[in-house]
Amino acid sequence: EIVMTQSPATLSVSPGERATLSCRASQSVNTNLAWYQQKPGQAPRLLIYGASNRATGIPARFSSSGSGTEFTLTISSLQSEDSAVYYCQQYNDWPPLTFGGGTKVEIK
Amino acid sequence: EVQLVESGGGLINPGGSLTLSCTASGFTLSSHSMNWVRQAPGKGLEWVSSITSTSTYIFYAESVRGRFTISRDNAKNSLYLQMNSLGAEDTAIYYCARGSTTSTGGWFDPWGQGTLVTVSS
Repeated sequence: EIVMTQSPATLSVSPGERATLSCRASQSVNTNLAWYQQKPGQAPRLLIYGASNRATGIPARFSSSGSGTEFTLTISSLQSEDSAVYYCQQYNDWPPLTFGGGTKVEIK
Repeated sequence: EVQLVESGGGLINPGGSLTLSCTASGFTLSSHSMNWVRQAPGKGLEWVSSITSTSTYIFYAESVRGRFTISRDNAKNSLYLQMNSLGAEDTAIYYCARGSTTSTGGWFDPWGQGTLVTVSS
């Protein structure tokens, strides 16, 4: 089973500042990685697939990079509505499909 | 609008059974794999089960294999999850999510709003 580890657990960022979230896989997942955003009381929403492709309707301030075992989600200029928990998910080697533990982004 | 709506959650006694449903609209269900993902209260996301577009292949997480059964009825635009021998560890919000391909794997988009299953006496 591929274990996905996200860091930090919590990130506090001022509005307009950059937020950088990390996701590490226990073995290579190539670019078979997705990112999701989950706001309180809501279902997760797809942000990124294929490690770097924004999903439909996702603002350009969200970007992602990486391959193999190291990935980064960047929110270039944090907005208040970006306060949420962010999860990465690998789909390179399954079952099981696995998620990271999440990073909570707070607005400072 | 592409939409998934889950139903069937509720309070159930330990050892009991429950069947969840997910009704799809706005897209052709038969063109996509489908999935169940759950989230225990205050916890992260856990993949539960996947089924290919034609039900040819089915996969389960180790934690539910032998107790849960995923199925689908493309004619009714519906996905199901039959859950047996439920324990407290199964308490969670259960989301259905559309897969990115006809086969399993891939990413999930969109997700339903979820249905809460609480296992408690």
